[in-house]
Amino acid sequence: DIVMTQSPDSLAVSLGERATINCKSSQSVLYSSNNKNYLTWYQQKPGQPPKLLIYWASTRESGVPDRFSGSGSGTDFTLTISSLQAEDVAVYYCQQYYSTPVTFGPGTKVDIK
Amino acid sequence: QVTLKESGPALVKPTQTLTLTCTFSGFSLSTSGMRVSWIRQPPGKALEWLARIDWDDDKFYSTSLKTRLTISKDTSKNQVVLTMTNMDPVDTATYYCARTYVPGYFDLWGRGTLVTVSS
Repeated sequence: DIVMTQSPDSLAVSLGERATINCKSSQSVLYSSNNKNYLTWYQQKPGQPPKLLIYWASTRESGVPDRFSGSGSGTDFTLTISSLQAEDVAVYYCQQYYSTPVTFGPGTKVDIK
Repeated sequence: QVTLKESGPALVKPTQTLTLTCTFSGFSLSTSGMRVSWIRQPPGKALEWLARIDWDDDKFYSTSLKTRLTISKDTSKNQVVLTMTNMDPVDTATYYCARTYVPGYFDLWGRGTLVTVSS
């Protein structure tokens, strides 16, 4: 199974400031035949199911604000919230879908400083 | 409108078998490329993928739990059923069903159902 790790475990950022979350996979999730990274990001608020934010490592899901962006390739990925808003307080998970079983990272909790 | 909804017992006893049903609408599991998975989340912990069933009835299971899990579908009822045998208190979690439309990320989730394992 591919193991996903995230850092930091939690972070607190002032409103309007940048938040950066890192995700690392134990093996590459870049599929060479189509040059796509099989990596997605979810946002989960308390009492709610996860919400898809980004897929293919950098493609925003429809309706997701453009302050959310994803980057990276191979084994190292980043989710950036360019200007943190109060409604962005949540836990963020990365997930690989390169191989079955799909696996999730342990999550990163984002709070307001 | 595409929706998924989980249903099942809120409380099960240790050693019992859990049966959960995911009832969905707005899509068909007979459509090529469509998949439904079960994912769980213990209180305050991370997400764990459990099992998946595909439009062509292919089935896939968590490496660590595969001996305890069975997934099935009833396309005519728009339902996917998960059974988990020999339940233990560590299986206490919110259980979600979620849709995948190839290639593998979950674009839609149910609201989840909390299952507590306790005597």
